Amino acid sequence: DAGVIQSPRHEVTEMGQEVTLRCKPISGHDYLFWYRQTMMRGLELLIYFNNNVPIDDSGMPEDRFSAKMPNASFSTLKIQPSEPRDSAVYFCASSSGLVRSTDTQYFGPGTRLTVL
Amino acid sequence: AQTVTQSQPEMSVQEAETVTLSCTYDTSENNYYLFWYKQPPSRQMILVIRQEAYKQQNATENRFSVNFQKAAKSFSLKISDSQLGDTAMYFCAFMKHNTGFQKLVFGTGTRLLVSP
Repeated sequence: DAGVIQSPRHEVTEMGQEVTLRCKPISGHDYLFWYRQTMMRGLELLIYFNNNVPIDDSGMPEDRFSAKMPNASFSTLKIQPSEPRDSAVYFCASSSGLVRSTDTQYFGPGTRLTVL
Repeated sequence: AQTVTQSQPEMSVQEAETVTLSCTYDTSENNYYLFWYKQPPSRQMILVIRQEAYKQQNATENRFSVNFQKAAKSFSLKISDSQLGDTAMYFCAFMKHNTGFQKLVFGTGTRLLVSP
């Protein structure tokens, strides 16, 4: 398996622009997670999905952030409008979701977002 | 709420030597998982090792092993025969053992530098 795939790897945009981050989870995994990593706050869980349904979005910072998972193999995280304080590395992770030794979260390579 | 504490912001070790990274956590749960993730300069989050709280035996993966002390709520990572490629940030993480709920709580990380 190719692992969790994220695109783009780097994104530079100007304040006020819309940004869309993409993620393809590992095939067969039914949980998908979006994380944000900053120096100040470390790794934060933003939202997670189970079987394409958002379960917990309490980590989403504000209404400018939205996430969707239209099917089992694709998810997006959108920021509109973007602000400089959104600059961070955004990770997508997936897991099988079953209570057994394999329900570990596997992370993608991350998207480094810079908002000027 | 669960918390994870990594009290060593930075550690250094020479190649071929052994180093131990510390992690403590706070929880009222009895069943849970603990993880060590490695984040090299490439930013990819890589699972190093995991431990189920109900297992008394410490987990081992090649040169990586843990010292899990459940009563003390301590979960340290030992890296034997350190290699230059072990240079990375190391994150300790906690997850409740609960069907359908897999929120990972991360520590702030320890930066490990392996020198020749």
